[in-house]
Amino acid sequence: AQKITQTQPGMFVQEKEAVTLDCTYDTSDPSYGLFWYKQPSSGEMIFLIYQGSYDQQNATEGRYSLNFQKARKSANLVISASQLGDSAMYFCAMREEGSNYKLTFGKGTLLTVNP
Amino acid sequence: DADVTQTPRNRITKTGKRIMLECSQTKGHDRMYWYRQDPGLGLRLIYYSFDVKDINKGEISDGYSVSRQAQAKFSLSLESAIPNQTALYFCATGGTGLSTGELFFGEGSRLTVL
Repeated sequence: AQKITQTQPGMFVQEKEAVTLDCTYDTSDPSYGLFWYKQPSSGEMIFLIYQGSYDQQNATEGRYSLNFQKARKSANLVISASQLGDSAMYFCAMREEGSNYKLTFGKGTLLTVNP
Repeated sequence: DADVTQTPRNRITKTGKRIMLECSQTKGHDRMYWYRQDPGLGLRLIYYSFDVKDINKGEISDGYSVSRQAQAKFSLSLESAIPNQTALYFCATGGTGLSTGELFFGEGSRLTVL
């Protein structure tokens, strides 16, 4: 079974609107971390946001927020006020306790922001 | 200069050739990783290392080998390249002192095997 599932291969959003990128995960570890990375067309991987399994509040970083629903095992990324520069591939990833700090990645969602 | 540097950035080679991708980092991190990215498959872990004496296989290590020459250097080798090893390869680092455990990536090495 996949540990990280991103069900949206591609998403479109109008500039200045908000968009939610879905991520569900599968783990039996009580301690884990969830990450989102952005990959623009230039190819580099950019760390966006982190959510720990014991964190009580949803993580936020500027226009990025993580909608963490632990019981549903979902960690959706919300981008507010989309900008043209947000057009990129977005990857959800998970680190499980005892995994030697390895990150397991989903297959990604390609976000296109339309002007 | 980038904190995590990969060389070469692009390489085209032929089937059966030996290829080495090099990675160096200036972040002082203990942990180093090699991932491979294929379209529609995300990033998959090839090998990882916690120090020069610690090398571990990832989920897709067949056909690859690595060398941790120093804390700052981690090389990936393809002993006899084949076309299905055509991919974008990423080196990443992480510090054991990081509470969140995020990884820092190099800019990627695009390898084409003809």
